[in-house]
Parts: sequence; structure tokens; C-alpha cells
Amino acid sequence: DSGVTQTPKHLITATGQRVTLRCSPRSGDLSVYWYQQSLDQGLQFLIHYYNGEERAKGNILERFSAQQFPDLHSELNLSSLELGDSALYFCASGKAGGLGETQYFGPGTRLLVL
Amino acid sequence: GNSVTQMEGPVTLSEEAFLTINCTYTATGYPSLFWYVQYPGEGLQLLLKATKADDKGSNKGFEATYRKETTSFHLEKGSVQVSDSAVYFCALSSGTGGGNKLTFGTGTQLKVEL
Repeated sequence: DSGVTQTPKHLITATGQRVTLRCSPRSGDLSVYWYQQSLDQGLQFLIHYYNGEERAKGNILERFSAQQFPDLHSELNLSSLELGDSALYFCASGKAGGLGETQYFGPGTRLLVL
Repeated sequence: GNSVTQMEGPVTLSEEAFLTINCTYTATGYPSLFWYVQYPGEGLQLLLKATKADDKGSNKGFEATYRKETTSFHLEKGSVQVSDSAVYFCALSSGTGGGNKLTFGTGTQLKVEL
């Protein structure tokens, strides 16, 4: 158990809908990272937040957005969902967000878009 | 841009066999390097890391040495067990402006048989 929690574990929805994925980092960690794992794209970095501020952005679609709240939990919002958005979404946390720090991964949220 | 190349899987070995999973990288600067492991239905767990050239990371009998001259970080274990069956990901850490992200290889599935 990494100490990172993600909810829900599974999500089934329809095309065009909007969903919110939630992540709580390990106690004491200030950074939250989001990744997408799919069969065709592999593991892709989406976005990095540190203490409420966006620090780095990766291959995140405009239909996707994220934020980190004052209590340090983070939410990833996916809207206008398409079939291709079906994937496993991981959240990871780290102490300070510095280069080379270890990122601790949650169990993931499996999203299925029908 | 940064990239990580891993040997294709799946790799099937008998218990107690020697394991090598090749990993090479392309990056600017001096990234930190990681091996993560993903067991079926679970999130990623850090296996080991190395932060500078010639560093050796080790954990649970697994080892990898950061080779700057060959831009490699090959994973080795002297004697694998059935419980080592999982997918192994090589990754590098990079970022600018206070941001950080992991770039992953495609993963190598390892199956260990009795």
C-alpha cells in the first residue's frame, strides 16, 4: 500500500459524458501527478501540481482539466468523453516535486467509455 | 525530447534463472532513472532508482546501474521467483521550471514458471 488513494476504482460511462477522478496523496506529500495508461499509448504523463499550483503539463487534452485543493487532494476532470479515453488513470504523489524524487503511485481508476 | 526504450516482452523464464531486462534512454541533462513494477490489477511500485552516473540501485535482489556512457539502466536479478511475474517499467525523471514528470518505457512483461 503506497498511501495514495484514488476513487473510484472503476467507472463506466457513455460518450459525451463528464467524470471526475479523485486522488489523495500520501500524508506530507505536496506534489500530485496524473498519468494515463492505455494499450496503444502506454503510460503517459498528464499533469503535475505542487501545493496547489500547476507545475508541468504533458500530453493532456483540452477536454481534460485538473486541480489541487488546499487540503492537497487533487481531481482530474474528463469531459466530452470519447471511446479512446478508456484507460487506467493513475495518480502519484511526491514530497516536494523536485527532479528525481520518487513518485508513489495509487491503485488507479479504470475508466471505460461506452 | 526524452525517451526510454525497453526490450520487448513477454519474457518467460524458469524459476531460479538469471534475468536481464534492457533499458536505454535519450535525455538532455542528467536525469534520474527508475524501475517500477506493476503486478496484475495493481498500481506501479518503485523497485529501485539511481540519481547519478555509476550509481547502483538495488532492492529485493534486483539491481540496475546508471551507465551514462551507454545511456543504459539494465535491470538484473540473479535468481527469479514465480512471485516476480509482473510488468517492469523503466523510467526517467525530467522537467523544467519547477515541474517534474516521469517518461516511461513501454514495459516488459515477465513470466516466471516452475
